[in-house]
Amino acid sequence: QLQLQESGSGLVKPSQTLSLTCAVSGGSINSGHYSWTWIRQPPGKGLEWIGYVYHSGNTDYNPSLKSRVTISVDWSKNQFSLRLSSVTAADTAVYYCARVFPGGGSQLDYWGQGTLVTVSS
Amino acid sequence: DIQMTQSPSSLSASLGDRVTITCRTSQRVGNSLNWYQQKLGKAPKLLIYAASSLQSGVPSRFSGSGSGTDFSLTISSLQPEDFATYYCQQTYTIPPSFGQGTTVEIK
Repeated sequence: QLQLQESGSGLVKPSQTLSLTCAVSGGSINSGHYSWTWIRQPPGKGLEWIGYVYHSGNTDYNPSLKSRVTISVDWSKNQFSLRLSSVTAADTAVYYCARVFPGGGSQLDYWGQGTLVTVSS
Repeated sequence: DIQMTQSPSSLSASLGDRVTITCRTSQRVGNSLNWYQQKLGKAPKLLIYAASSLQSGVPSRFSGSGSGTDFSLTISSLQPEDFATYYCQQTYTIPPSFGQGTTVEIK
């Protein structure tokens, strides 16, 4: 059974960089043609897509965050990561990592449990 | 960007009721439309992908339909564990976008 687990700093100061890692277990991150993604959810609000890292290693980002976000993958450690720079209180959210199943729906079939990141001084 | 409009934003229903949630997209998305269920404090769970395909392990009382710009999620007979928030998601274009959510509450 595939499992994803987010980890990283739960408290980040304004203007600093948020860094999270998603460790994948129960399967290889490099198998198949899966892509991987980060999603966030501000407290009490809806879901926002942050970006993809594709099987090729290429990335796509939400234009609203593109200037501040980097998603990378470490094949050897079976994990992928998110960095979001110059954070503000508006970046406070639960951050989820998920697997993207290739096909017509590009659906998110496995999710991490989520990790709350608070931006505050 | 494609805008997603779910309706209603919330609804109250009784056990055994048939419930339908709709999702309208601002542009045609073919069948690139997925549905997720989220319970309080938990990650979303995939229910329906590609508009009408039932994810493995999801009860058959859940069904999806639609194409183009108009989609719906139906729960044929509401069960206690179905009280949650439901989100649609389009993956036709970048950025993929989610609806604002529909909360299903106990009447």
